[in-house]
Amino acid sequence: SQTIHQWPATLVQPVGSPLSLECTVEGTSNPNLYWYRQAAGRGLQLLFYSVGIGQISSEVPQNLSASRPQDRQFILSSKKLLLSDSGFYLCAWSGAYTEAFFGQGTRLTVV
Amino acid sequence: DAKTTQPPSMDCAEGRAANLPCNHSTISGNEYVYWYRQIHSQGPQYIIHGLKNNETNEMASLIITEDRKSSTLILPHATLRDTAVYYCIVRVAVTGGGNKLTFGTGTQLKVEL
Repeated sequence: SQTIHQWPATLVQPVGSPLSLECTVEGTSNPNLYWYRQAAGRGLQLLFYSVGIGQISSEVPQNLSASRPQDRQFILSSKKLLLSDSGFYLCAWSGAYTEAFFGQGTRLTVV
Repeated sequence: DAKTTQPPSMDCAEGRAANLPCNHSTISGNEYVYWYRQIHSQGPQYIIHGLKNNETNEMASLIITEDRKSSTLILPHATLRDTAVYYCIVRVAVTGGGNKLTFGTGTQLKVEL
């Protein structure tokens, strides 16, 4: 069966520090991968999606970037965090035309 | 992208059916309707999806109107564990395969004794 791993579960980082969140998927090949962010009390906002290795599409201009170095690995990064980057970050995967499955999320607090 | 409109909140008594409405009046002919729910501080959970016909699985039923401009998610016997935010989403296919799921603010369902 397919599983998605996302870590860490919680993270507290100072303003201006770098960020790296990792997401890996097991049990499937060539998944479509997604990064979402949820600000406190808000809905989920799609940040990036990828349909293949090295293929990244950005949905909103922001202080973050994404990379897909391997088929089942998706990384969310920032060189310098801002206070506004705080939120709940969720990684998800889907087949070509199937429902998406979400990880358990990383709660990031920038202080 | 088709937009969806949902009531911000609903209450339901435990054991009764919960009927969650969603409007998607600008949906295109090849766009699916998906429903997810999110229990506090967890990742969203897939519930059900459909295109034209009504669908049922072990979790819920999905009723889509004939003109496809609205749908209703039905939880036949709501329990306290069904308390969550329910999202109605229209799936947008992307070039090369894959789906973009654009989440709205959803409906906060509160199931009470």
